[in-house]
Amino acid sequence: DAKTTQPPSMDCAEGRAANLPCNHSTISGNEYVYWYRQIHSQGPQYIIHGLKNNETNEMASLIITEDRKSSTLILPHATLRDTAVYYCIVRRYNQGGKLIFGQGTELSVKP
Amino acid sequence: ETGVTQSPTHLIKTRGQQVTLRCSSQSGHNTVSWYQQALGQGPQFIFQYYREEENGRGNFPPRFSGLQFPNYSSELNVNALELDDSALYLCASSVGDNYGYTFGSGTRLTVV
Repeated sequence: DAKTTQPPSMDCAEGRAANLPCNHSTISGNEYVYWYRQIHSQGPQYIIHGLKNNETNEMASLIITEDRKSSTLILPHATLRDTAVYYCIVRRYNQGGKLIFGQGTELSVKP
Repeated sequence: ETGVTQSPTHLIKTRGQQVTLRCSSQSGHNTVSWYQQALGQGPQFIFQYYREEENGRGNFPPRFSGLQFPNYSSELNVNALELDDSALYLCASSVGDNYGYTFGSGTRLTVV
């Protein structure tokens, strides 16, 4: 699985967009980008995934660069409840339950 | 609302003992995986089960073992507990990659 690099921490003002970057320069053509988050004392929560097109769901948007070497998770209107550790994971589709978590980005949303 | 429940939520064991952690997945989730999360670290993959067979394992010794049952429940067993086994143990299940993996809230194991 490709390695990912994320900033260790970020701050965001409540109500503003939170843009979380992820570098995955060694990603292979058949590998997807997945995002999970983990709120303190809870299990990780699936957010979104994509291959090469931008994706949007009710939680977030995922922007993947054309060369697929980096991506950005966007929370359009961050709330205090979005404070969590966000993990960017690169893996092949239908690889089963093995997710390789890095250190993630600790996002603090401040009032 | 999570569809994966784990029990117990907290547990204290003595070094050398054995422990069984339990997980109940959603109906139809035939893939279940277990993770260990030490304090301040990301979750580390232990192993996964698909239709009651282990079909993937991380870098964990054989004293970590598991079972998956036809009713979508599963167990993680750890023998000869060591102090370093103190961690949050997470169970995750899915019906397929298009839906992501649903995690339980975990069992906090403390080995003293």
